[in-house]
Amino acid sequence: DTGVSQDPRHKITKRGQNVTFRCDPISEHNRLYWYRQTLGQGPEFLTYFQNEAQLEKSRLLSDRFSAERPKGSFSTLEIQRTEQGDSAMYLCASSFYDQTFFGQGTRLTVV
Amino acid sequence: GIQVEQSPPDLILQEGANSTLRCNFSDSVNNLQWFHQNPWGQLINLFYIPSGTKQNGRLSATTVATERYSLLYISSSQTTDSGVYFCAAITQGGSEKLVFGKGTKLTVNP
Repeated sequence: DTGVSQDPRHKITKRGQNVTFRCDPISEHNRLYWYRQTLGQGPEFLTYFQNEAQLEKSRLLSDRFSAERPKGSFSTLEIQRTEQGDSAMYLCASSFYDQTFFGQGTRLTVV
Repeated sequence: GIQVEQSPPDLILQEGANSTLRCNFSDSVNNLQWFHQNPWGQLINLFYIPSGTKQNGRLSATTVATERYSLLYISSSQTTDSGVYFCAAITQGGSEKLVFGKGTKLTVNP
């Protein structure tokens, strides 16, 4: 068990490009979360999966954002037509009922 | 939804000092966690503590669920304790998402 793994760790993209991030949760964890964190703020919830079902989405998740968790294993978060306001740290987390464990995050910079 | 407020927002200590960080939450919770975010952005689990008291080395935490607050105590602080401490909660009977406070930024000077 190597913890929650995220890839890539850093991404620089031009405005208007699409980006995709991957998250591999702790293997026995059935719940997977995506959060976004900007400088000086706490992490903000984006979306949550229980197994392969996406059970909740934040209003922060505009129609340019989509997340999937095929077969209830890894998850991807795609941002289409990136904007400068999308620049942030994107955090993935997984849990099995109590403690939630976070990955190291993907830092996105949109230029 | 639930509101999570942390105080103080910033704290500066000399090495060896003790400190108390506070987390107030606006609704009943069935999950409360404390995290330490290191300079590289990684959130490290400190405590899962929806109620009661726990200790882990120089750190301890107490949650008084009936009064809707939690405290994180750091004793004999070290420079490696520097970083941002977050409290996060999941409300009872509602969404399963962790809601975070804005954090307490701790700086421990040598």
